[in-house]
Amino acid sequence: DVKVTQSSRYLVKRTGEKVFLECVQDMDHENMFWYRQDPGLGLRLIYFSYDVKMKEKGDIPEGYSVSREKKERFSLILESASTNQTSMYLCASSYSYGYTFGSGTRLTVV
Amino acid sequence: GENVEQHPSTLSVQEGDSAVIKCTYSDSASNYFPWYKQELGKRPQLIIDIRSNVGEKKDQRIAVTLNKTAKHFSLHITETQPEDSAVYFCAARCKYIFGTGTRLKVLA
Repeated sequence: DVKVTQSSRYLVKRTGEKVFLECVQDMDHENMFWYRQDPGLGLRLIYFSYDVKMKEKGDIPEGYSVSREKKERFSLILESASTNQTSMYLCASSYSYGYTFGSGTRLTVV
Repeated sequence: GENVEQHPSTLSVQEGDSAVIKCTYSDSASNYFPWYKQELGKRPQLIIDIRSNVGEKKDQRIAVTLNKTAKHFSLHITETQPEDSAVYFCAARCKYIFGTGTRLKVLA
């Protein structure tokens, strides 16, 4: 029973393209997060959101933006994809404590 | 800002031995400390957590200890089994920051 769904498991995009990564949760959670996961660097927080239309920068927001128009959906946007954004992207949601993660999107920028 | 350091980055143990992974955090306002296990190709899953009002929590072979004064907490796995092999992440909640992960290998 999947609770947090990321729309794509694998994506290949060209440098300079605008990229949308979608995340949907069906648990009515207020909090949603985007992390990227790189070897040796663990999970690094890009952006998070406490509520609809609300967003906060994480540790590495440069080159990214987000959108939360509806409670269940949190989108990560790469305005102009670059090769250093090749990574595994993980979405998560949370009510109060603990996360539920999506399966991840492996993005390759060529 | 908040920082979470996790050690070691890799850990190999013999089956049946214990494994200990340690994390330190910088923000004294952190009040929730979860541990996640990520098996190869899968999403991280919560395995145990502890809140700041207790010093230790145990769930079968897994335990977490917290020292708020020293700002560190540890994951203890006893009687390790091959299926415990995974990457483990700690986190300290004030700003949802994760440690860098520990790759645990349990050798049969």
